[in-house]
Amino acid sequence: GAVVSQHPSRVICKSGTSVKIECRSLDFQATTMFWYRQFPKQSLMLMATSNEGSKATYEQGVEKDKFLINHASLTLSTLTVTSAHPEDSSFYICSAFSRQGANEQFFGPGTRLTVL
Amino acid sequence: AQKVTQAQTEISVVEKEDVTLDCVYETRDTTYYLFWYKQPPSGELVFLIRRNSFDEQNEISGRYSWNFQKSTSSFNFTITASQVVDSAVYFCALRGTSGTYKYIFGTGTRLKVLA
Repeated sequence: GAVVSQHPSRVICKSGTSVKIECRSLDFQATTMFWYRQFPKQSLMLMATSNEGSKATYEQGVEKDKFLINHASLTLSTLTVTSAHPEDSSFYICSAFSRQGANEQFFGPGTRLTVL
Repeated sequence: AQKVTQAQTEISVVEKEDVTLDCVYETRDTTYYLFWYKQPPSGELVFLIRRNSFDEQNEISGRYSWNFQKSTSSFNFTITASQVVDSAVYFCALRGTSGTYKYIFGTGTRLKVLA
């Protein structure tokens, strides 16, 4: 149980285009989902906290207009990188929080974004 | 403020050696959770253990063991008889219980096990 999927696993796009990444909790409902970014050889950095049905809370320094987050249902959150640039190339990881039982975050497999 | 420190950036050992990865944390919460994750080259985080602040018992799972010392705010991870497949980046993380469910991650320790 507690499986989180991300789609796509890898995406390459041209500079200036927008990219949408989906995060799904497959076998549980997640009222809260988190989005992280990880640059090579660095730790995970929290970008935003997404609560179902409400606006996401962004960490300091993260541009909310550039990284659009939508959490429309209890099993799906999306991250859209708008007008992507090469510096947005990174590994994006989502997690879904379950308050039942384990009371912990379950992580998706990550999406590797490369902006040319 | 909450903080997790993994002072060891990179460790190299020869196969079959034991290795300990250090994790020191800071929090003002009286109840909190500590985690260890493994991140192999594929990038997917693999959950290893969760420990709550009221449970100071050490844990052993196969070749893995964890030493939780509340007095020194440490939660160290030991791999016994290391194997090449243990090569990965290991992250220690902390979650408090006041307010959000955010995790605070350490900077990670890259472990290289040489054959």
